[in-house]
Amino acid sequence: AQSVTQPDIHITVSEGASLELRCNYSYGATPYLFWYVQSPGQGLQLLLKYFSGDTLVQGIKGFEAEFKRSQSSFNLRKPSVHWSDAAEYFCAVGSYNQGGKLIFGQGTELSVKP
Amino acid sequence: DVKVTQSSRYLVKRTGEKVFLECVQDMDHENMFWYRQDPGLGLRLIYFSYDVKMKEKGDIPEGYSVSREKKERFSLILESASTNQTSMYLCASSGRQGSYEQYFGPGTRLTVT
Repeated sequence: AQSVTQPDIHITVSEGASLELRCNYSYGATPYLFWYVQSPGQGLQLLLKYFSGDTLVQGIKGFEAEFKRSQSSFNLRKPSVHWSDAAEYFCAVGSYNQGGKLIFGQGTELSVKP
Repeated sequence: DVKVTQSSRYLVKRTGEKVFLECVQDMDHENMFWYRQDPGLGLRLIYFSYDVKMKEKGDIPEGYSVSREKKERFSLILESASTNQTSMYLCASSGRQGSYEQYFGPGTRLTVT
């Protein structure tokens, strides 16, 4: 079955520290991969996406993610976290043969310590 | 920028009431989606629509129905609200060609008492 797993429910990092949020997927077809961010009480905002080509993709707000096909992973990284990055982060996967449907992970809540 | 709007940010309804959640997008997108979001469960797809008057069930359609009479509008209907439908409801839209990223509305926090 197709699935997306975010192993970490909650992560706390200090402001200025580096961040890595993990995402693993199980998908039969060539995946399209996304990371979204959700601030409290808000909808989801797209951070970055991977369709093909360079496996390291850059997104908004200084985030990047790397697609590793051999590990079925698409981890999100940021070199230096800001207090405003505190939010919930969702990984999602889709493919051409699924039309527009995406499968979302359970989310990782990020807290930032001053 | 794509804009997806939802009719209410907060709603409080009583058990048994019929509830309408409205979603409008302004980017001429073909695809529209309704999700519910609950802590620890991520986003679960209720219904989606590929075109006007077309709809397909998602993963958790029980207790819900939808309507898409116009391309820009997608409504979620709770025929008889129950307390276990208390949740955050998110609407999204996406284009059909090329990219599949979905654009989300701000969400409606529904409480059924």
